[in-house]
Amino acid sequence: KNEVEQSPQNLTAQEGEFITINCSYSVGISALHWLQQHPGGGIVSLFMLSSGKKKHGRLIATINIQEKHSSLHITASHPRDSAVYICAVSHDVPRNLRFGAGTRLTVKP
Amino acid sequence: DTEVTQTPKHLVMGMTNKKSLKCEQHMGHRAMYWYKQKAKKPPELMFVYSYEKLSINESVPSRFSPECPNSSLLNLHLHALQPEDSALYLCASSQVLAGTYEQYFGPGTRLTVT
Repeated sequence: KNEVEQSPQNLTAQEGEFITINCSYSVGISALHWLQQHPGGGIVSLFMLSSGKKKHGRLIATINIQEKHSSLHITASHPRDSAVYICAVSHDVPRNLRFGAGTRLTVKP
Repeated sequence: DTEVTQTPKHLVMGMTNKKSLKCEQHMGHRAMYWYKQKAKKPPELMFVYSYEKLSINESVPSRFSPECPNSSLLNLHLHALQPEDSALYLCASSQVLAGTYEQYFGPGTRLTVT
């Protein structure tokens, strides 16, 4: 079983819809990261969080440490949000990211 | 400046060639990373440098040779690669090597081995 599980694997939405991507992890972590990767492109860090909730524009990330679960929400989705969203966790030892498989989001106009 | 740059953007090389990938950051970060990403898969960690010293080598074949000549620069030297090494190679950096620091990624080098 992968240390980081994401769902769904693929998601298609209509423009304007509210989107939720889920991430579960199996061991204690230092932080959880949400990353965005556009086709053929590099990776952009959206959020790093270790507790509570963070908001940036139309994106909201939450984490429940007790449940070992995080969600990424996109409000008023737009076609430019189409990308792969990757959940990753980091530990102090070893000090590298462990990635989920990613969620491929397509937002149709 | 929160940018990690990578050159070249694309590279095609034969199995007998020697080439190098370059990564640069000017954020004062002291941890730098090489990742390999195959299509539709998450990145896989290859190497981590901390304060210019190799800290993690994820059992990468010796045909990949990393180098960190200074705190801003990270190279990946390639020699005698196989077609299955074709992938997107991503560089990243973080302030220090610790779990609570954000990693900043470069745009990647798309490598094709023929």
